[in-house]
Amino acid sequence: NAGVTQTPKFQVLKTGQSMTLQCAQDMNHNSMYWYRQDPGMGLRLIYYSASEGTTDKGEVPNGYNVSRLNKREFSLRLESAAPSQTSVYFCASSPNTGAPNQPQHFGDGTRLSIL
Amino acid sequence: KNEVEQSPQNLTAQEGEFITINCSYSVGISALHWLQQHPGGGIVSLFMLSSGKKKHGRLIATINIQEKHSSLHITASHPRDSAVYICAVPDPLDFGNEKLTFGTGTRLTIIP
Repeated sequence: NAGVTQTPKFQVLKTGQSMTLQCAQDMNHNSMYWYRQDPGMGLRLIYYSASEGTTDKGEVPNGYNVSRLNKREFSLRLESAAPSQTSVYFCASSPNTGAPNQPQHFGDGTRLSIL
Repeated sequence: KNEVEQSPQNLTAQEGEFITINCSYSVGISALHWLQQHPGGGIVSLFMLSSGKKKHGRLIATINIQEKHSSLHITASHPRDSAVYICAVPDPLDFGNEKLTFGTGTRLTIIP
């Protein structure tokens, strides 16, 4: 059972380049999330999707776009990468079956460096 | 937004010691999450609790809703417990309790 799969695991970009981080879950979860983790800071929510076809901005959405392609997949796009977007990115999912406070399941992360 | 503070930021202990990690938050919540981030980076959910105490093996989590405080205890600590432990609480404006605010984590190192 793969859980939440993120690709790629590592990426180096030049300022101004674009790229898409991929995330897929095989747990039939409704909600999916993109976070970034920076040194000395807690995980911060970039975008959130409560169900297929819906997305919502989180705490730090500027410079990012997302696409909930289907129930399984939630991608994060950097249109014009900036050094401030150097970070470790995590995708997560949760059941969101209506019951509150359900655990989130995380991917292994993508370490992204912008030069 | 809920403010989450964890203490200590770093903790080094000898194998076998009893470990306590603390988490305080500013706004009342319905439940609190404890997560573990492995040295390789992966994050797993350990506990979700809304009252009292929960125990999984050598890990015990407690919460005091009135004092807005939770603790994570590890009994008979082992080097494999070395990780970053993170607490997280729901966003008070998110009625589905799906959006979380995370603490900065406590880095635990257990020396053999």
